[in-house]
Amino acid sequence: EIVLTQSPGTLSLSLGERATLSCRASQRISRTYLAWYQQKPGQAPRLLIYGASSRAIGIPDRFSGSGSGTDFTLTISRLETEDFAVYYCQQYDGPPFTFGPGTKVDIK
Amino acid sequence: EVQVVESGGGLVQPGGSLKLSCAASGFTFSDSAIHWVRQASGRGLEWVGRIKSKTNTYATAYAASVTGRFTISRDDSKNTAYLQMNSLKTEDTAVYYCSRSTVTTNWACDHWGQGTLVTVSS
Repeated sequence: EIVLTQSPGTLSLSLGERATLSCRASQRISRTYLAWYQQKPGQAPRLLIYGASSRAIGIPDRFSGSGSGTDFTLTISRLETEDFAVYYCQQYDGPPFTFGPGTKVDIK
Repeated sequence: EVQVVESGGGLVQPGGSLKLSCAASGFTFSDSAIHWVRQASGRGLEWVGRIKSKTNTYATAYAASVTGRFTISRDDSKNTAYLQMNSLKTEDTAVYYCSRSTVTTNWACDHWGQGTLVTVSS
């Protein structure tokens, strides 16, 4: 099973700041099969990024993904109020399709 | 509009069974894969399992924690997928989400239901 580690656990930032979230895999995965999701309290997850760097439909361009191999990054260029949430990475290179433990982005 | 809607959650005793449904609309259900993901209260997301499309032989895969106890199936004529849960344990208590994936997003889950709560307790 591929284990995903996300850092930091919590990121405290102000509106307008840049957020950089990390996802590290225990073994190499194809960038084709790495996704990022956003989840707000009481809501279902929402797909932000698939294929490591492709934005899902309707996702603002302040969200971007990068990385390959075992190290992947989600960047939010300038935080807006609605971006404060928990972010999960997921690999679906091969089952089981594991999620990382999440990074909470909260208001400083 | 693409929609997936879960139903069938509720309270069940340890050792019992429950069957969840995932009703889909607004897209070609038969071309999609369906995933089940769960989330215990205050915890992160846990992938439960997946069923592929008929083209991909309805192949299933499961997390180790549910293998041998949970079974995913689908009825393309009803645009519905199912999660049969047997030998339930207290640690299976969670909100269960259904989601769809397609080749358009490299098989990432792009539409999710709002979830159904399963509580395993005596």
